[in-house]
Amino acid sequence: DAGVIQSPRHEVTEMGQEVTLRCKPISGHDYLFWYRQTMMRGLELLIYFNNNVPIDDSGMPEDRFSAKMPNASFSTLKIQPSEPRDSAVYFCASTRSTGVNTEAFFGQGTRLTVV
Amino acid sequence: ILNVEQSPQSLHVQEGDSTNFTCSFPSSNFYALHWYRWETAKSPEALFVMTLNGDEKKKGRISATLNTKEGYSYLYIKGSQPEDSATYLCAPRMDSSYKLIFGSGTRLLVRP
Repeated sequence: DAGVIQSPRHEVTEMGQEVTLRCKPISGHDYLFWYRQTMMRGLELLIYFNNNVPIDDSGMPEDRFSAKMPNASFSTLKIQPSEPRDSAVYFCASTRSTGVNTEAFFGQGTRLTVV
Repeated sequence: ILNVEQSPQSLHVQEGDSTNFTCSFPSSNFYALHWYRWETAKSPEALFVMTLNGDEKKKGRISATLNTKEGYSYLYIKGSQPEDSATYLCAPRMDSSYKLIFGSGTRLLVRP
């Protein structure tokens, strides 16, 4: 398996524009997580899905952020409208719920810059 | 809000030194404790997953211990090498959901 695949790797956009980040989890994994890395807060959990259903979106900063998982192999994180304070690295991770020892695998991240 | 604390925040050691750092988490409703290694410009990679009180895991020069009753885990690196320079993150699982809440990490720099 190629691992968790995120696209794009880098995104530069102007304030007010819509941004869509994409993630393909590892095949067979039933959990998908979106994290954001910032200097101030470290690696913070935004939202996670189980079997394509959003379970907990309490980490989503505000209504400008939304996430979907239309099927088991694809998820999007959308920011509309984007603001400079959204600039960060966004990671997607996936795991399979086979037992307590299961680990989560991370994608390479999308570095978002909003100017 | 889950309180996960890692100390120290950063650590500078000389090549060959052994070092250790701490992860503290609530001791109730514990499921598992994950350690990740995160190199600059890369993605976090899993080191260990520990579940039982007294667990010890080892991978090469890196080892970890777990105390679930008092809510802490130690990560040890024996004979640090420059390639060990990274941020080491811990993340406890405190329920059955598989979500991981990460601490702020310990940033290790090993000088040649």
